[in-house]
Amino acid sequence: QVQLQESGPGLVMPSETLSLTCTVSGGSLTNFYWSWIRQPPGRRLEWIGFIYHTGNTNYNPSFKSRVTISQDTSKSQFSLRLRSVTAADTAIYYCARHEEEGSGTSFDYWGQGTLVTVST
Amino acid sequence: SYELTQPPSVSVSPGQTATISCSGDELGDKYVGWYQQKPGQSPLVVIYQDINRPSGIPERFSGSNSGNTATLTISGAQAVDEADYYCQAWDGSSYVFGTGTTVTVL
Repeated sequence: QVQLQESGPGLVMPSETLSLTCTVSGGSLTNFYWSWIRQPPGRRLEWIGFIYHTGNTNYNPSFKSRVTISQDTSKSQFSLRLRSVTAADTAIYYCARHEEEGSGTSFDYWGQGTLVTVST
Repeated sequence: SYELTQPPSVSVSPGQTATISCSGDELGDKYVGWYQQKPGQSPLVVIYQDINRPSGIPERFSGSNSGNTATLTISGAQAVDEADYYCQAWDGSSYVFGTGTTVTVL
């Protein structure tokens, strides 16, 4: 059974960089797409971007100038870096898996989510 | 940017049918997925590619998509179905989620 687990600081200072890692167990990164999705308190889900096992990435244009997603296949991990954060970036951050790119995609496995608060 | 709009809330009596709509421009030309999210939990896909149920999802969940509206139907709703539901589609450059609908079974 595939499991995803997010890890990283729960508090980030404004203007700093938010960094999270997702560790995948029960499977490898190969042949799947791996996304970061966030949910501000009381609001809808928001897709940030994905990485494919080949290293190809695709980002939501709303985040493109601030975000980098990378992977370490030897550790079955992929990571999110979001630069220049503000209070509006406070959210629960999820990592999720999908088998396809584009239309027809569904996110079939999710991490439990981790709350990141941007505050002094 | 592409917008998916859902009603904020839907109420249904136990055993009755709940219908949740998701509206977007020419949405019928895109595949839609539906996610159930209970408080404090991660989303769970209940419908993918408009009409398909993943393994383990009860048959009372069904989906359709035509024109500008996709619909999630819960036939014979149960108390365990109380949750937030989100639709999701690909707009050509991003995955987009709907505004969300809270389903209350009472």
